[in-house]
Amino acid sequence: SQKIEQNSEALNIQEGKTATLTCNYTNYSPAYLQWYRQDPGRGPVFLLLIRENEKEKRKERLKVTFDTTLKQSLFHITASQPADSATYLCALETGANNLFFGTGTRLTVIP
Amino acid sequence: DTGVSQDPRHKITKRGQNVTFRCDPISEHNRLYWYRQTLGQGPEFLTYFQNEAQLEKSRLLSDRFSAERPKGSFSTLEIQRTEQGDSAMYLCASSFRRSQETQYFGPGTRLLVL
Repeated sequence: SQKIEQNSEALNIQEGKTATLTCNYTNYSPAYLQWYRQDPGRGPVFLLLIRENEKEKRKERLKVTFDTTLKQSLFHITASQPADSATYLCALETGANNLFFGTGTRLTVIP
Repeated sequence: DTGVSQDPRHKITKRGQNVTFRCDPISEHNRLYWYRQTLGQGPEFLTYFQNEAQLEKSRLLSDRFSAERPKGSFSTLEIQRTEQGDSAMYLCASSFRRSQETQYFGPGTRLLVL
């Protein structure tokens, strides 16, 4: 069965630094991978989608990479701000009509 | 706001009672999903509709759970004979016919079974 590991439960970084979150997966080759942001008590919010034939995708201060050989995606937030503090979820498409989510990494940006 | 809405936002019930949650997707979205999320975990897929047809159900969806989307618009998720293990956040999401990979989530219904 599919398995997703996100590098750590919690990550603390200083404001202005680049946050790097890791998503590793096994037992599957997804056609695409997505990253979502989730704030406490709220539903996830879509951030970025990257397809298997794309190496990198950017959106403002966000960058995602996708290495299908390593079965890994990296999610970067540059010039981090306290407002970036949230839980970030990695999600794989499953070939069926749903997403398989990791457990998330809780990011705290310290002013 | 024309996003996905869910009602109620919070529900406290006693074990053995039935509960029903409602989801209103974004109006032009033909796909609707239900997920369950427990503390410290990511959302887990429960079931999926395309228009009014329920096309997929997770093995997580026991016989006590039933979902409907009668007119292809809003959906309801009912849990019968609730158990304490049903306590979780129930999330609804919808996706657009031309860009079906991206799912737009509602705020969730937090269920507590006492």
